Amino acid sequence: DSGVTQTPKHLITATGQRVTLRCSPRSGDLSVYWYQQSLDQGLQFLIHYYNGEERAKGNILERFSAQQFPDLHSELNLSSLELGDSALYLCASSVSWEYLNYEQYFGPGTRLTVT
Amino acid sequence: AQSVAQPEDQVNVAEGNPLTVKCTYSVSGNPYLFWYVQYPNRGLQFLLKYITGDNLVKGSYGFEAEFNKSQTSFHLKKPSALVSDSALYFCAVRDDQTGANNLFFGTGTRLTVIP
Repeated sequence: DSGVTQTPKHLITATGQRVTLRCSPRSGDLSVYWYQQSLDQGLQFLIHYYNGEERAKGNILERFSAQQFPDLHSELNLSSLELGDSALYLCASSVSWEYLNYEQYFGPGTRLTVT
Repeated sequence: AQSVAQPEDQVNVAEGNPLTVKCTYSVSGNPYLFWYVQYPNRGLQFLLKYITGDNLVKGSYGFEAEFNKSQTSFHLKKPSALVSDSALYFCAVRDDQTGANNLFFGTGTRLTVIP
């Protein structure tokens, strides 16, 4: 168990809908990263938050957004869902972005299925 | 820009034999390299990292990796494979553009250890 929790584990929804995925980082970790894992695209970095502020963006669609709250948990919002958004969404945390030695610890993921 | 390549989609090895999972990288600055393992329906687990120092890095579960700067490779190795090592293995490199510590992953190599 990495200490990173994600809810829900599974989510099935229809095209055009909006969902929110939640991630709680390990105790003491200030950085949260979101990744998307799909058969087509592999593992792709979406977005990084550090202590409530956005630090870096990757291949994140405009329909997707995220935020990190004062208690450091993060939410990833996916809207106007399309079939191609079906994927495993992984959250990872690390102590900081500044210290290059800190590896990321991953949660079990949320499996999103868009029908 | 940075990237990693895992040239083998699938590696099969007999139990008790040594295993190697290959990874090559491309970065503009210093390479910060990682190996992660993913078991079915689970998130990614950190195995080991290379930041600086010795070219042979030891990690979890008896795995090690050899950093070779001239060949830009970071192959994962284990002297004696176990059936329980069967999983999906990802090589990753730290983003050297934003400095935000997010990771770029390879496409993954599925390791099957045959009893």
